[in-house]
Amino acid sequence: KQEVTQIPAALSVPEGENLVLNCSFTDSAIYNLQWFRQDPGKGLTSLLLIQSSQREQTSGRLNASLDKSSGRSTLYIAASQPGDSATYLCAVNNAGNMLTFGGGTRLMVKP
Amino acid sequence: DTGVSQDPRHKITKRGQNVTFRCDPISEHNRLYWYRQTLGQGPEFLTYFQNEAQLEKSRLLSDRFSAERPKGSFSTLEIQRTEQGDSAMYLCASSPLRGAALYGYTFGSGTRLTVV
Repeated sequence: KQEVTQIPAALSVPEGENLVLNCSFTDSAIYNLQWFRQDPGKGLTSLLLIQSSQREQTSGRLNASLDKSSGRSTLYIAASQPGDSATYLCAVNNAGNMLTFGGGTRLMVKP
Repeated sequence: DTGVSQDPRHKITKRGQNVTFRCDPISEHNRLYWYRQTLGQGPEFLTYFQNEAQLEKSRLLSDRFSAERPKGSFSTLEIQRTEQGDSAMYLCASSPLRGAALYGYTFGSGTRLTVV
C-alpha cells in the first residue's frame, strides 16, 4: 500500500526566502506525482505534474523534482511571497485510478 | 466549461439526516473521483467512475454512502443517517480517460459538510 509523507508539517518563513518542501513515498512504481496548493476552506489547485520518466518540472517561481528510485520529490519555491501562504499537498498516482496524498505542509510567509 | 463544479459549497445538517452533494466534471473528462478530507489531513480516496460505471470503492465508503453518475455526466454523493464523524470536506475531481497519467486530475472547490 502506497504511503506518502510530507515534511515539514508546517513552515513559517520571512518574505523573500527560498524554501523547499519535501515529499516521500514508499512505492516507487508510480505513473506521476502532482503537487497541489490548497487555501483555507477551498479546493485543490494543481501546481505541477511530474511524469515518472521526468526529473523535474518548472512553473514560474516553482520547481518540482522527482527521484523515483529513492521515493522522493521536492517542491522548491523561490523568493517566497505572503500570497504563497497556503497548504501544499503532494499526491502520487500509482495505478492510474486514484491519488494517494500526503498530509500536506502548511506554509506561512510573513511580510 | 470553467472546471469542476461542486454544489453546495457548504452544508450544515443535523445528525441522522440525509444529505446529497453534486459534482459536474469537465465535460470531456470520462473519469470522476470523490475524495474526503478531514481537518489537517490530506484527501482520502472514496470512489471513482469511468463514464457511468462505478469501478472502485474505498472501504471508507460505508453502507451509508452511495454515489451515482447517471448518463456519465454529473455525479451525486449521498450520505444517509449522517454522523458527526462524517463532517469533512468532500472533494470531486475529474480526468480524461487516457490522460490521468499525462494531465493529472482537476479538482473542484469542494463541499464542506458539518454535522451537528
